[in-house]
Amino acid sequence: QKEVEQDPGPLSVPEGAIVSLNCTYSNSAFQYFMWYRQYSRKGPELLMYTYSSGNKEDGRFTAQVDKSSKYISLFIRDSQPSDSATYLCAMSAGSGYSTLTFGKGTMLLVSP
Amino acid sequence: DAGVTQSPTHLIKTRGQQVTLRCSPKSGHDTVSWYQQALGQGPQFIFQYYEEEERQRGNFPDRFSGHQFPNYSSELNVNALLLGDSALYLCASSLVANEQFFGPGTRLTVL
Repeated sequence: QKEVEQDPGPLSVPEGAIVSLNCTYSNSAFQYFMWYRQYSRKGPELLMYTYSSGNKEDGRFTAQVDKSSKYISLFIRDSQPSDSATYLCAMSAGSGYSTLTFGKGTMLLVSP
Repeated sequence: DAGVTQSPTHLIKTRGQQVTLRCSPKSGHDTVSWYQQALGQGPQFIFQYYEEEERQRGNFPDRFSGHQFPNYSSELNVNALLLGDSALYLCASSLVANEQFFGPGTRLTVL
């Protein structure tokens, strides 16, 4: 079993839809959770950064963490064609030695 | 404020050769991490440098080595290149623990 599981997609939605992206993990030591957006052949861009369980909202993006279920989600409201990209979840155990463990990424396609 | 920069953008090498990739961290960041991203996969952690020392290392062979300079910039060296080393190599910098910012990457092709 991989430490972080993420459905690779692709996930195709029409413009304006609400998108839900998810990851599950097996390592209960993970405390820091991140979502990155990666356009084709580019470096990952940090979208959301959360600590422990709960919700965090930033504009059209909402990140949710449920540590009891080892499940994290990213919601995108009013999706736009410019949101078409691969979304990577990442997580880390400690605040000091901060190596990230990534999922494989979910490809999102938003059609006009 | 310049973000994380990496050079070169693309690189083509043949098996057995050696390669050096370079990274300049975001202004004010003192920690640099390197990741390898194969096509269709998430980034895999190679190692992390802080105060010019390797602080942590992932599951990569000794052919992969690195260095951090006093100005916090960093190099990744790969010796005896294999076809399987073909990937996007990403550098990430951070100051606050875990909030890592990535550069655009160097795409390495090994023929």
